[in-house]
Amino acid sequence: AQTVTQSQPEMSVQEAETVTLSCTYDTSENNYYLFWYKQPPSRQMILVIRQEAYKQQNATENRFSVNFQKAAKSFSLKISDSQLGDTAMYFCAFLETSGSRLTFGEGTQLTVNP
Amino acid sequence: NAGVMQNPRHLVRRRGQEARLRCSPMKGHSHVYWYRQLPEEGLKFMVYLQKENIIDESGMPKERFSAEFPKEGPSILRIQQVVRGDSAAYFCASSPRAVTLGYGYTFGSGTRLTVV
Repeated sequence: AQTVTQSQPEMSVQEAETVTLSCTYDTSENNYYLFWYKQPPSRQMILVIRQEAYKQQNATENRFSVNFQKAAKSFSLKISDSQLGDTAMYFCAFLETSGSRLTFGEGTQLTVNP
Repeated sequence: NAGVMQNPRHLVRRRGQEARLRCSPMKGHSHVYWYRQLPEEGLKFMVYLQKENIIDESGMPKERFSAEFPKEGPSILRIQQVVRGDSAAYFCASSPRAVTLGYGYTFGSGTRLTVV
């Protein structure tokens, strides 16, 4: 079974600064997908970024980028130029290519301070 | 496109009552997934359904919980004889096909169930 671990329950950052959220996972699969989801107070689950395990290039989406280290089973999220609207709970998630269920970490509550 | 619609947004039930949670997938989506989020935790998979079929219910509690996705109408998650431990946010997601490429998951805003 896959497990996803987020070791930082809470993080804070000043507006316009950069912050990195950590995520590690455990799997015996070779091909899979990794995701970061954002959950603001509205509870809506919003996909932030997606990474395919067979791609060495790290995914980027505007101010969001990942550092994917497959051998270390690490998948961290970097948010550059943090904005107040980035305040939310962030979840790391795993999906095996042959499956349909997402496995989520426990989440990191990020607060962006003005 | 209205997205994945869940209702009600908030539901309060007394212990022993039944809770019915509804999920209307995005237009054109025939795959539905239910997840539960307990307080201070991440989402946990419950069940995966296609139209009229349960594909994977390995995350469903063995008793009191059931799910359906009829040919017509929304998917329903039913919890019978609710207990305080059922208090959680229940999320539905849909996709146009089995999520084999990592694309296509769209989540609703969830139903927060409170058992008093």
